[in-house]
Amino acid sequence: ETVMTQSPATLSVPPGERATLSCRASQSVNINLAWYQHKPGQSPRLLIYGASTRATGIPARFSGSGSGTEFTLTISSLQSEDFAVYYCQQYHNWPPAPTFGGGTKVEIK
Amino acid sequence: QVQLVQSGAEVKKPGASVKVSCKASGYNFTNYGISWVRQAPGQGLEWMGWIGVYSGHTNYAQNLQGRVTMTIDTSTTTAYMELRSLRSDDAAIYYCARESPPADYWGQGTLVTVSS
Repeated sequence: ETVMTQSPATLSVPPGERATLSCRASQSVNINLAWYQHKPGQSPRLLIYGASTRATGIPARFSGSGSGTEFTLTISSLQSEDFAVYYCQQYHNWPPAPTFGGGTKVEIK
Repeated sequence: QVQLVQSGAEVKKPGASVKVSCKASGYNFTNYGISWVRQAPGQGLEWMGWIGVYSGHTNYAQNLQGRVTMTIDTSTTTAYMELRSLRSDDAAIYYCARESPPADYWGQGTLVTVSS
């Protein structure tokens, strides 16, 4: 099983500032990496797939990068609605057996 | 528009079974798989398994093998997830999601409470 490790666990950022979230895979997943945003009481929302492609309707302030085992999600200028938990997920296997990272909580500083 | 609508909250006793439904609409149901993901209180997201809608092929998380069954009814475009021998640590919000991959559209979640 591919283990996904996210850091930091919590990120305190003032509104308007940049947030950088990291995700590491225990073995290469190529670019089969997605990022999700999850708010309390809501369903997870797909932000990024293919490591760097924004999903439909996702603002340009969200960007993803990386390949292999190291990935980054950057939120260029945090808005109030961006405070949430973010999960990375690898989907390299077939049939699907995706694994999630433990999540990074982005909170208001 | 793509929608996945799940069945309502359930309260079950330890040892019982629960079956959650996920009604899909707004896309060609047989072109995508369905994954099930759960989130226990205070925990992260846990993938439970996947079913290929066209093939009926399944792939379950190892820790749930033998207790979980995922099925599909293509006539009603509905996916089902049944979990048996419920334990207190199965209490969670259960989500279905359309698997492209990755999971791009999600149901609203179904709260399952396990309590004696």
